[in-house]
Amino acid sequence: GNSVTQMEGPVTLSEEAFLTINCTYTATGYPSLFWYVQYPGEGLQLLLKATKADDKGSNKGFEATYRKETTSFHLEKGSVQVSDSAVYFCALSAGVWAGSYQLTFGKGTKLSVIP
Amino acid sequence: DAGVTQSPTHLIKTRGQQVTLRCSPKSGHDTVSWYQQALGQGPQFIFQYYEEEERQRGNFPDRFSGHQFPNYSSELNVNALLLGDSALYLCASIKSNLATNEKLFFGSGTQLSVL
Repeated sequence: GNSVTQMEGPVTLSEEAFLTINCTYTATGYPSLFWYVQYPGEGLQLLLKATKADDKGSNKGFEATYRKETTSFHLEKGSVQVSDSAVYFCALSAGVWAGSYQLTFGKGTKLSVIP
Repeated sequence: DAGVTQSPTHLIKTRGQQVTLRCSPKSGHDTVSWYQQALGQGPQFIFQYYEEEERQRGNFPDRFSGHQFPNYSSELNVNALLLGDSALYLCASIKSNLATNEKLFFGSGTQLSVL
């Protein structure tokens, strides 16, 4: 079956530090890959996505590249801010077909950024 | 434009009881999914409703059931509650479309505590 493994947290960084959160996946076929962010007391928000190999998703300074050869989708940001403190989830979808949007999530990585 | 709204926000039940959680999708969305997020874990897919029918189901027992109404809103019912059912229950909606540029919108969830 499909599965996502991501770096366990928590991760604590100083402001302006470089961030990497590792994510690897197991799936049949050609999944779409996502990073979601969950701020305290809020629902999940899509941060970025990539739908095919070598695609790079980017948003708000965050980036991730779909690497089929290594089955990875690592999240990176060059300079984190205190406002980036949240829980980050890597997820995959086995593919969009009529009516199917089932996501498989990793366990999440809690990021805390200190001033 | 209201996003995905869920009610109630918090709920406390005792073992053996039954519970109903409610979700109103984002305006224009016709597909609703439910996820269970245990403490410190990623969300797990329960099931998805489209055109008032259950279209996909995750690995959850029959105690978990749902319904979708003609206005696309949805309910999640859990019978014979167990302590292990304590979790944050997330609802997500999307406009069903074969294009890959659609994205899931998540509600803030219902926190269920089973005592």
